[in-house]
Amino acid sequence: DVKVTQSSRYLVKRTGEKVFLECVQDMDHENMFWYRQDPGLGLRLIYFSYDVKMKEKGDIPEGYSVSREKKERFSLILESASTNQTSMYLCASRSQREKGKEGFFGEGSRLTVL
Amino acid sequence: QKEVEQDPGPLSVPEGAIVSLNCTYSNSAFQYFMWYRQYSRKGPELLMYTYSSGNKEDGRFTAQVDKSSKYISLFIRDSQPSDSATYLCAMRLQGAQKLVFGQGTRLTINP
Repeated sequence: DVKVTQSSRYLVKRTGEKVFLECVQDMDHENMFWYRQDPGLGLRLIYFSYDVKMKEKGDIPEGYSVSREKKERFSLILESASTNQTSMYLCASRSQREKGKEGFFGEGSRLTVL
Repeated sequence: QKEVEQDPGPLSVPEGAIVSLNCTYSNSAFQYFMWYRQYSRKGPELLMYTYSSGNKEDGRFTAQVDKSSKYISLFIRDSQPSDSATYLCAMRLQGAQKLVFGQGTRLTINP
């Protein structure tokens, strides 16, 4: 069974703290994505990666960075968390080779920044 | 104007009803169309995938794409309380990696 695992389901951080959100997939997918989901705004793409050490900005990259050192792992970093980054963060992966395998999502990481 | 528009609801229907969920989009170049189901406090899961125009059926679920009207639909027959969830439409350009999502429609099926 395919799996995308996000390391933390719930986090509470203080303004200015550095936050790491980790995502691991076991499907050998090339593409990995980080989204945030907010009420009324839907899912918005922060960053994605199509290969190890490769990354591309999504629609809302400001205040975030990412790291992909290994194919199976994609990390989202908030260098200095702010209250407007309180959100649900969703990681997804996708195979470039297999049609119809359009995005397997993790369970989400709910981040609260105080 | 958003690229993909979806009525957020909420939508509440009795068990056994036929449910119709819809999205409209502005970019006629979209080629791949998806519907995701998201239960409360969970990540989205892919429900239906359609390439280009036409219908696709899977059990009680039917996805329709009308590219001429830039309109996609998801029908749920014989709806069950377990279908209560948020339904997200998403679409993608040929060759692109990024999915563009609708806002999601919150659906409740009442026993």
